[in-house]
Amino acid sequence: DIVMTQSPDSLAVFLGERATINCRSSQSIFSSNNRNYLAWYQQRPGQPPKLLIYWASTRESGVPDRFSGSGSGTDFTLTISSLQAEDVAIYYCQQYSTTPWTFGQGTRVEIK
Amino acid sequence: QVQLRESGPGLVKPSETLSLTCAVSGGFVSNGIYYWSWLRQPPGKGLEWIGYIYYSRSTSYSPSLKSRVTISADTSRNQLSLKLSSVTAADTAVYYCARGVDVVARGAFDILGQGTVVIVSS
Repeated sequence: DIVMTQSPDSLAVFLGERATINCRSSQSIFSSNNRNYLAWYQQRPGQPPKLLIYWASTRESGVPDRFSGSGSGTDFTLTISSLQAEDVAIYYCQQYSTTPWTFGQGTRVEIK
Repeated sequence: QVQLRESGPGLVKPSETLSLTCAVSGGFVSNGIYYWSWLRQPPGKGLEWIGYIYYSRSTSYSPSLKSRVTISADTSRNQLSLKLSSVTAADTAVYYCARGVDVVARGAFDILGQGTVVIVSS
């Protein structure tokens, strides 16, 4: 199985400041079709996960542009450019390159 | 707009079989564009992919659960089902059904149900 490791486990950021979450896969998830099979989700308390980003950097429809994804191969980043109160949540990365599709352990984002 | 709704018994006894359904509205499970998956999330823990079904018949399961899991689709009722046999307390979780973005991004889930809580206890 491909192991996904996120860092940090939690972070606290001031409102309006940048939040950065890292994700590393145990093997490359870049495919011959020139795509990275990496997704990011946001999960608020009591809610199902919500897709934010797929193909490592493609924003899902309706997701605010303060959310962006970057990276390739084995190292990826989710950036929230200006943290808003409604962004308090747990964020997960996930690879869908090879089954079993696997998730990172999650990063909790809070307001400082 | 496609919507998914999971349902099933909230309490299952150890060693029994967990059976859940996922009603699909606004779309069709037989649609060849989408892969349909089941995920789960134990209390206070992260997400685990269980398996998928495609075109109502092609399936793939997580190796860790493969010996106990069956995913099927009922096209007449437009619903998915999940069966997990020989359950233990470790199977206590919120179970979600989910749709893949498209055939290529089949494992990125753009639509999920609200989830259904399953507790395994005698």
